Amino acid sequence: NAGVTQTPKFQVLKTGQSMTLQCAQDMNHNSMYWYRQDPGMGLRLIYYSASEGTTDKGEVPNGYNVSRLNKREFSLRLESAAPSQTSVYFCASNLGGGANEQFFGPGTRLTVL
Amino acid sequence: QKEVEQDPGPLSVPEGAIVSLNCTYSNSAFQYFMWYRQYSRKGPELLMYTYSSGNKEDGRFTAQVDKSSKYISLFIRDSQPSDSATYLCAMSVRYSSASKIIFGSGTRLSIRP
Repeated sequence: NAGVTQTPKFQVLKTGQSMTLQCAQDMNHNSMYWYRQDPGMGLRLIYYSASEGTTDKGEVPNGYNVSRLNKREFSLRLESAAPSQTSVYFCASNLGGGANEQFFGPGTRLTVL
Repeated sequence: QKEVEQDPGPLSVPEGAIVSLNCTYSNSAFQYFMWYRQYSRKGPELLMYTYSSGNKEDGRFTAQVDKSSKYISLFIRDSQPSDSATYLCAMSVRYSSASKIIFGSGTRLSIRP
């Protein structure tokens, strides 16, 4: 099992460009999450999907959109990238329904110039 | 005030020392308490998980929760260079059908050989 995979690993964008971060899990998990990690701020939840077909905002959703494509895949889109979105992005998944352990992907390092 | 406060360090100790990592929190509704370990340029991985006050041991690691003081700790005995990583405390309250986790900002730990 690959666990949680993310693509790309690194990306550099110019202000105003758009891109989609991809995430897939092969653990048959119901819930999936997108976080960003910034120095001194810890991990902050952007969006989550409790189950296939549902998505909800987290702590810092502005400037992002998500799609839960199917049970395995959960993508994060930046429509018009800004320098404030320079960060490391992590996707995570878990069984949901109150389960607390989340399994994280390796992260995407995004720089917006 | 952040819901979860964690000293960012860095903390540097000699090999074999006992390490104490701590977090405080303000939300008395938190039910589950976790410690994640994150190696450089990797995603976080769950190290320990508890939902009650008191101590929980797993090998060289002990997690301690004091709900009355809103304080949690992670102790590492006989510390090894391979323990060098960032340690994030995390706490959760169940919301609807998905658990959202609030993370501390992480403490960077270095074990000197």
